[in-house]
Amino acid sequence: NAGVMQNPRHLVRRRGQEARLRCSPMKGHSHVYWYRQLPEEGLKFMVYLQKENIIDESGMPKERFSAEFPKEGPSILRIQQVVRGDSAAYFCASSPRDVYMNTEAFFGQGTRLTVV
Amino acid sequence: RKEVEQDPGPFNVPEGATVAFNCTYSNSASQSFFWYRQDCRKEPKLLMSVYSSGNEDGRFTAQLNRASQYISLLIRDSKLSDSATYLCVVNMDSSASKIIFGSGTRLSIRP
Repeated sequence: NAGVMQNPRHLVRRRGQEARLRCSPMKGHSHVYWYRQLPEEGLKFMVYLQKENIIDESGMPKERFSAEFPKEGPSILRIQQVVRGDSAAYFCASSPRDVYMNTEAFFGQGTRLTVV
Repeated sequence: RKEVEQDPGPFNVPEGATVAFNCTYSNSASQSFFWYRQDCRKEPKLLMSVYSSGNEDGRFTAQLNRASQYISLLIRDSKLSDSATYLCVVNMDSSASKIIFGSGTRLSIRP
């Protein structure tokens, strides 16, 4: 049973380009969470999705950021017109049930986005 | 005041030592508490949940003090492999957006 798979592991984008980050949850997990981690900081919640539904996007910036979790395929975090401040590690986690803290959430290895 | 605060460290202790660090939280209605471990440039992994009565897992002991709103992690007989950043995690209520990660305490064990 493969763990949470994120790709790419490293992504370099120029200012103004688009970044697409992918996350395949663990087999049997239908709940996906995206977090952002800046250097020397903790993880900040961004969005919580179930298949084809955004459940909570209260941590997403209002502009340029979007997320989806289609019926088939991985969850995608999309950042349009990237700026230097978007440089961070983006982690995806999955769980088999909602309210994941009542059951362990498993994290992917993260995508490190660098905007140059 | 931050919702979850941790001493960033670093804590630099010799192998075999006992080390403890605390984490304070601001919301007295917080429901669940956890310690995660994060190695350098890796993903966080659950270390242990923190129960009201306190709990132990091998060399690790976690405690919760609701009155003073802090949780603690004690590591006995520390090993070199314990070197990592320890993240305090607090679940404010039953929604995913209210799961708050502390910024972490860096621990370095020296031979």
